[in-house]
Amino acid sequence: GNSVTQMEGPVTLSEEAFLTINCTYTATGYPSLFWYVQYPGEGLQLLLKATKADDKGSNKGFEATYRKETTSFHLEKGSVQVSDSAVYFCALSINTGNQFYFGTGTSLTVIP
Amino acid sequence: NAGVMQNPRHLVRRRGQEARLRCSPMKGHSHVYWYRQLPEEGLKFMVYLQKENIIDESGMPKERFSAEFPKEGPSILRIQQVVRGDSAAYFCASSPGQSRYNEQFFGPGTRLTVL
Repeated sequence: GNSVTQMEGPVTLSEEAFLTINCTYTATGYPSLFWYVQYPGEGLQLLLKATKADDKGSNKGFEATYRKETTSFHLEKGSVQVSDSAVYFCALSINTGNQFYFGTGTSLTVIP
Repeated sequence: NAGVMQNPRHLVRRRGQEARLRCSPMKGHSHVYWYRQLPEEGLKFMVYLQKENIIDESGMPKERFSAEFPKEGPSILRIQQVVRGDSAAYFCASSPGQSRYNEQFFGPGTRLTVL
């Protein structure tokens, strides 16, 4: 089947620390991979995406590389800010495009 | 270009009442998806609709839940005879097409509380 496994949270980091949130997936077809971010009380916003193997998605200092050999799409940022505090969701979409499959989310808190 | 709109943002119902959640997709989008987010959990797919058609309702509970996306007007998620376990955030998303390349654009959600 199709599923996404995300690193358990919550994660607490100091400002300017390095961030990694692990994400691995299983898929019946060739998926596209996404990272969404959810700020408190809001809906999900697309952070970045990658649609084929070895693609790197990037946005606002965040990066993730589509690794087909390890079925992974880990999210990284070199220097986090307090404003990055949010819940991060890894997701995949397959050929039929009927639905997204989401991980359980990883809560990140960045302290000054 | 307005984003996905959902209303109400917060809805309180007593057990046994009906809840109606509305979603207006982004302009030009004809594909609508509904997801439910339980506390401390990820989003779970419920139903996928195109105008006047339910394409995939594999995530919908078999009873009390229904969805529609009429030719005119917003998509409606209807929950009859609500129970406490229905308390959750319900998110609507839309996309321009049915493809794995398309991102889904999410609304702000409706937070349903059942007393």
